[in-house]
Amino acid sequence: EVQLLESGGGLVQPGGSLRLSCAASGFTFRHYAMTWVRQAPGKGLEWVSGISGSGEKTYYADSVKGRFTVSRDNSKNTVYLQVNSLRADDTAVYYCAKVGGITAAGTGNFDYWGQGTLVTVSS
Amino acid sequence: QSVLTQPPSASGTPGQRVTVSCSGSSSNIGSNYVYWFQQLPGTAPKLLIYRNNQRPSGVPDRFSGSKSGTSASLAISGLRSEDEAEYYCAAWDDSLSGVVFGGGTKLAVL
Repeated sequence: EVQLLESGGGLVQPGGSLRLSCAASGFTFRHYAMTWVRQAPGKGLEWVSGISGSGEKTYYADSVKGRFTVSRDNSKNTVYLQVNSLRADDTAVYYCAKVGGITAAGTGNFDYWGQGTLVTVSS
Repeated sequence: QSVLTQPPSASGTPGQRVTVSCSGSSSNIGSNYVYWFQQLPGTAPKLLIYRNNQRPSGVPDRFSGSKSGTSASLAISGLRSEDEAEYYCAAWDDSLSGVVFGGGTKLAVL
């Protein structure tokens, strides 16, 4: 059974940083791309970032480019999202999701999702 | 303002057939697959339709997807109370080099 468990969210001041983690199990992690999607309170889904199975290719939404960094450790079956220079509009539940393929590009095939971790940016 | 356009709400009575539309452009729906997600209240999204019209294992055949040009639709037949949820369309956008979502459609079962 595929399981994705996010952690690392919390309350942070504007300008601060956090590292979100997503521990995966139930599939051969290195064979699949992973992605991060966020949802602000009461709002819709927003794609944030994607990373290929090998970790060589990464992709970012314009809204987070230069501030967020996605990475993965295939030996630990974990994908990370380093979020820096946080702003109030980054407040959201951050979901990690498995991509139904090895590449994170060209697809919205997010076939399994975690339960999310809440990031709140406030002073 | 979402790149893909969905109606904010839709409704139907049990047993009815309802459709949810998703409008995009040549750089997203017009040239890439469309995906649909269902989000029940207080839960994570769930993949409902992939590659325009394919259902993952476990998704009832009451749910179907279609695509024509730069638009796509999700149809739900035999509407049930448990279908009350938010529905999102998504597609890769070649111009943005990223995934774009619709704003979501809240389906009410009256």
